[in-house]
Amino acid sequence: ETGVTQTPRHLVMGMTNKKSLKCEQHLGHNAMYWYKQSAKKPLELMFVYNFKEQTENNSVPSRFSPECPNSSHLFLHLHTLQPEDSALYLCASSQESSGAYNEQFFGPGTRLTVL
Amino acid sequence: GEDVEQSLFLSVREGDSSVINCTYTDSSSTYLYWYKQEPGAGLQLLTYIFSNMDMKQDQRLTVLLNKKDKHLSLRIADTQTGDSAIYFCAERKSSASKIIFGSGTRLSIRP
Repeated sequence: ETGVTQTPRHLVMGMTNKKSLKCEQHLGHNAMYWYKQSAKKPLELMFVYNFKEQTENNSVPSRFSPECPNSSHLFLHLHTLQPEDSALYLCASSQESSGAYNEQFFGPGTRLTVL
Repeated sequence: GEDVEQSLFLSVREGDSSVINCTYTDSSSTYLYWYKQEPGAGLQLLTYIFSNMDMKQDQRLTVLLNKKDKHLSLRIADTQTGDSAIYFCAERKSSASKIIFGSGTRLSIRP
């Protein structure tokens, strides 16, 4: 148990659906991240939030829309996804987003399948 | 450029030592990490080393850093079945929020 929880753990959706992934951290951290893990590819950083402000968007398509209402919660809103978006989506948090205290703690991930 | 490379698979006998290797390209990386991912789980930070260190030991884990060759290794002593997982090498600059991950090495343990 890392102190980072994600729901749902598994999600199957059609290309026309709208769904949201949720991440919550109980570590008192100020930075939160979304990563995409596809088979046989390195982890891809999608978004970084620091003190609720988005500080990085790594050229992620607009069909992925993040939301960070407070430092403990992070959402990823999904709409009109493609089958190639099927992957494990991992949330992480750290005390800060840079500097010495960037040890990132990961949640268990949401396994997303787009049909 | 930014690139972290690892071999995809490693098989060791239970009780032997496992050595997982990693090379990276960015010589300005400040922090180098090893993460472990068990099936169905997220990544767990195992250990990390600062770029001004050559070695770090933590119980059964030994991390060696060769800055000249940009080579990082993770040695697991007395490998157990519970060590079966994917191990990710990663690097980060001090000023950056982005961690660059390798593709992971799948460690399997044979009896």
